[in-house]
Amino acid sequence: DAKTTQPPSMDCAEGRAANLPCNHSTISGNEYVYWYRQIHSQGPQYIIHGLKNNETNEMASLIITEDRKSSTLILPHATLRDTAVYYCIVRAGGTSYGKLTFGQGTILTVHP
Amino acid sequence: NAGVTQTPKFQVLKTGQSMTLQCAQDMNHNSMYWYRQDPGMGLRLIYYSASEGTTDKGEVPNGYNVSRLNKREFSLRLESAAPSQTSVYFCASSERTDRDTQYFGPGTRLTVL
Repeated sequence: DAKTTQPPSMDCAEGRAANLPCNHSTISGNEYVYWYRQIHSQGPQYIIHGLKNNETNEMASLIITEDRKSSTLILPHATLRDTAVYYCIVRAGGTSYGKLTFGQGTILTVHP
Repeated sequence: NAGVTQTPKFQVLKTGQSMTLQCAQDMNHNSMYWYRQDPGMGLRLIYYSASEGTTDKGEVPNGYNVSRLNKREFSLRLESAAPSQTSVYFCASSERTDRDTQYFGPGTRLTVL
């Protein structure tokens, strides 16, 4: 699975959009981009994933560049409860046995 | 629909004691996983079960055994606990192993003295 690079920490004001970047320059054609978050030692929570098209769900939007070497997770209206560690994970489909490789992630702090 | 549940939530063991961590899911998923998370680190896969009746080693299987009791339940056993196994243990499940979203339980916080 391709390696990902994320900033160690970011801040965001409550009510504003939080844009979390992720670089995955070695991503290959069959690898998906997943985002999870972990709120204060709780179990990781799935947010969104995509292959090459932009995706949106009730939690967030995922923007993947055309060359697929980077992506951005957007939380449109951040709240204090969105303070968490956000993990960008690249994972192969098909024959992969399913391991999610969690790196260090980005600590997002949402402040009033 | 409780999702993925784990018991116990907390446990303290002495070196050499044994215990079993329990995990159950009610989403009718085929695949289940056990991860551990050490302070300040990401999750590492211990064992996984692609489907009922099968289990395979992950990155850090030494010192652990697993049992896929049925489609719902996947247990993790420490036969002789060591201080290095002090960690938070997370169970997860997914519909299949390839590419499907994994859903995680709340975790078991284990301390080995």
